[in-house]
Amino acid sequence: QKEVEQNSGPLSVPEGAIASLNCTYSDRGSQSFFWYRQYSGKSPELIMFIYSNGDKEDGRFTAQLNKASQYVSLLIRDSQPSDSATYLCAVRYLTGGYNKLIFGAGTRLAVHP
Amino acid sequence: DGGITQSPKYLFRKEGQNVTLSCEQNLNHDAMYWYRQDPGQGLRLIYYSQIVNDFQKGDIAEGYSVSREKKESFPLTVTSAQKNPTAFYLCASSGTSGAASYNEQFFGPGTRLTVL
Repeated sequence: QKEVEQNSGPLSVPEGAIASLNCTYSDRGSQSFFWYRQYSGKSPELIMFIYSNGDKEDGRFTAQLNKASQYVSLLIRDSQPSDSATYLCAVRYLTGGYNKLIFGAGTRLAVHP
Repeated sequence: DGGITQSPKYLFRKEGQNVTLSCEQNLNHDAMYWYRQDPGQGLRLIYYSQIVNDFQKGDIAEGYSVSREKKESFPLTVTSAQKNPTAFYLCASSGTSGAASYNEQFFGPGTRLTVL
């Protein structure tokens, strides 16, 4: 059973701080990793994807991947109240020639002024 | 504008009724997916399709059916056999190239189904 685990939170950070969101996965053969943001009552939207070990930066967001530890994280610098949402980690794997994503349950982030 | 549309936004169903949720995309994507989301939980895969006239069961296919007669369309039917259908249903699409970026799944706005 392939699994993706996230702390459900809520993770509460003050405005301007760094928010750190973590995700672990069970399938060592997984190749691609995605972070989605989901506002309450809305559909998920992609923030970043990463497939190489190390860091990938995009504006205030940094994704970090450590395949040896089966660990992927998302850092949000200078957190804003508008960043308050649920962040979903997703892991891609191949089965029978089909690409599938497995999603974690998400971490709820609350940024307070 | 390219994107994914789902209709209706809200749907109410009486027990014992079948209902069909619509999903249309104009992104020219080959792959389409249906997910179910329950409060406080992640997305669970119901069905997926990588090409017209082909689809595969996901992790929770029981009580659901799909068709893929056109590339742009992937409707989901929630049958009376689905014991607890009240949930938020999300349709997604993606490319099928080997490049990681092409596996990004774009989501529609969702349909919230409530069984009365």
